[in-house]
Amino acid sequence: QKEVEQNSGPLSVPEGAIASLNCTYSDRVSQSFFWYRQYSGKSPELIMSIYSNGDKEDGRFTAQLNKASQYVSLLIRDSQPSDSATYLCAVNRGSNYQLIWGAGTKLIIKP
Amino acid sequence: ETGVTQSPTHLIKTRGQQVTLRCSSQSGHNTVSWYQQALGQGPQFIFQYYREEENGRGNFPPRFSGLQFPNYSSELNVNALELDDSALYLCASSSPQGGGSNEQFFGPGTRLTVL
Repeated sequence: QKEVEQNSGPLSVPEGAIASLNCTYSDRVSQSFFWYRQYSGKSPELIMSIYSNGDKEDGRFTAQLNKASQYVSLLIRDSQPSDSATYLCAVNRGSNYQLIWGAGTKLIIKP
Repeated sequence: ETGVTQSPTHLIKTRGQQVTLRCSSQSGHNTVSWYQQALGQGPQFIFQYYREEENGRGNFPPRFSGLQFPNYSSELNVNALELDDSALYLCASSSPQGGGSNEQFFGPGTRLTVL
């Protein structure tokens, strides 16, 4: 079992709809959770960080964390073609701030 | 505020050669982490430097080594290059806080091709 798992996609969503991206992790001591966006050929860009159970909203983005079920999700409202990218989930166990990454979900927003 | 910078952006080497990649951390950040990202995969942690000391290492052989300078910039050195070392090398800087939270910000990366 991989430490951080994501559906590789591609996930195709119509423009204006809600895109839902999911991530599960195996290590229960994980403390910090991050969503990064990566355009093809570029480096990851931090979108959201979340540390406590529940929802965290930032503009069109909402991160959801459920530590009991060991999953974290990212919702993108009013999806735009510019949101088309690979979304990476990263988890930190806290000891030396090493990030453990999923392989990413490719999101395609169709106009 | 200056972001994370990396040099060079692209590099082509042959098998057996050595390479040095450089990273300047974001202003105010004292921690640098290095990652290797193969095509279609998530980044893999190589190691992290905090105040010039190695602060954790991933599952990479000793021919991957690093250094952090007093100004918190960092170098990644790879000896005896192998074909499988071809990847995007990412540097991320951060300023660790108590409680385990740590937002890491990435530079543009160095694309290494080993022939």
